[in-house]
Amino acid sequence: NAGVTQTPKFQVLKTGQSMTLQCAQDMNHEYMSWYRQDPGMGLRLIHYSVGAGITDQGEVPNGYNVSRSTTEDFPLRLLSAAPSQTSVYFCASTHTLSGIRGEQYFGPGTRLTVT
Amino acid sequence: AQKITQTQPGMFVQEKEAVTLDCTYDTSDPSYGLFWYKQPSSGEMIFLIYQGSYDQQNATEGRYSLNFQKARKSANLVISASQLGDSAMYFCAMREPNAGKSTFGDGTTLTVKP
Repeated sequence: NAGVTQTPKFQVLKTGQSMTLQCAQDMNHEYMSWYRQDPGMGLRLIHYSVGAGITDQGEVPNGYNVSRSTTEDFPLRLLSAAPSQTSVYFCASTHTLSGIRGEQYFGPGTRLTVT
Repeated sequence: AQKITQTQPGMFVQEKEAVTLDCTYDTSDPSYGLFWYKQPSSGEMIFLIYQGSYDQQNATEGRYSLNFQKARKSANLVISASQLGDSAMYFCAMREPNAGKSTFGDGTTLTVKP
């Protein structure tokens, strides 16, 4: 299993550009989430999904869109990049049957810089 | 809403000694899961240990143990016999039921001195 994969690993955008961060998992996990991590801080939830076709907002959703057309993929779209979105982005997945016991499996992260 | 508080931005410990990293939490759910993750300088998130709200005993995983005090809403991580490779940032997190999302604390940076 590849686990949770994210592409790209690094990205530099200009203010106003849009882009999509890709996330895929091959573990058949129902739950997937997107977090951002600013320097020296913890992870903050952007959006999450409890299954294909179902998404919801997290703590910091403004400026981001998500969709979940398949169990495997959960892309995060930046609509119009701003310097405040400079961060490291993590995608994570969890198996439904784990209940509250299941730890989240994290991707390696995408380091995004907006100039 | 759930909240995780880690009050120690940075900690130092001598190699081979034990260290406790503090975590307090707040939630109105009777059922919840508490997790600790390690983030080395390379950036990946590594799961360390889990404690369920209904678990009677403190969780242990090798050199890691979780000191769970439910009435005080604390879930401190104890690392025994610290090693240089333990130098990293450590995050406490809480997972609510029926959702794949977690709330994270701001983390504690642990430095192990030789």
